[in-house]
Amino acid sequence: EFVLTQSPGTLSLSPGERATLSCRASQTVTNNYLAWYQQRRGQPPRLLIYRASNRATGVPDRFSGRGSGTDFTLSISGLEPEDFALYYCQQYGGPITFGGGTKVEIK
Amino acid sequence: DERLVESGGGVVQPGTSLRLSCAASGFSFRRHSMTWVRQAPGKGLEWVANINENGSNKDYGDSVKGRFTISRDNGRSALYLQMNSLRGDDTAIYFCARDGAREPFQPFPFLAVWGKGATVTVSS
Repeated sequence: EFVLTQSPGTLSLSPGERATLSCRASQTVTNNYLAWYQQRRGQPPRLLIYRASNRATGVPDRFSGRGSGTDFTLSISGLEPEDFALYYCQQYGGPITFGGGTKVEIK
Repeated sequence: DERLVESGGGVVQPGTSLRLSCAASGFSFRRHSMTWVRQAPGKGLEWVANINENGSNKDYGDSVKGRFTISRDNGRSALYLQMNSLRGDDTAIYFCARDGAREPFQPFPFLAVWGKGATVTVSS
C-alpha cells in the first residue's frame, strides 16, 4: 500500500512567516508525480503544484515545491491571511493516494 | 470558464443506491480524464474512481471496488458515479475533478479543476 505521510499535522505561524510542509512517501514516487493542493474551509481543493515543483496557473510565486523520490516539500514564503488553510499532497504515479493533510493556522 | 457541477446527493439508508452526476462546461470534456474524490466529515481526501477520456479504462479505490461504478457521456459532457450497497462510511462530500496536463505514459492524473461537491449521507 502506497502511503503519503504529511508533517506536521498542524503548523502555527504568523502572517509574513515562512511555512515548510513535508510529504514523505512509503515508496518512490514514479517520475516525481506529486501534487499539492490547498483547501480553505468549506471549499473544494485547489491545485497549487504538480510534478513536485511546477506551479499551477494563477498560483502566486510565494508557493514553491521541491523534492524527489520519497521526500517532498511545499514552502510558502511570506504567509498571507488567505494562506491559512489545509494542504494535501497527492501522488499520481500509480493509483491515486493523498496524504493526511497539514493545517496551517494563525499563531 | 471551466466549471464542474455535481448533483444527486442526499440522505439514504444503508444498503441502498444513489447516482451522482457531474455536469462539465467551459472545456472540451471528451479530451480529459475525470475523477471522483470524496471527503468524509472532518477528514482528508480519498480517491474514489477514475475514468479515461473515452470511458474504456476505469480504476477504483479499494474501499469502493465492486460497489461503485464510474461512467461518462461525452455527448452530454457528463460524469456519473453509481453507488450501490451504500454504508455509513460512504458518508462524505463527493467531488468531481478534471485532470491537468497529461504526459505520455503518466498513469494517473493530478486534478486541475474541481467541482464544489455533492453531499451524501448514509444513515438509518
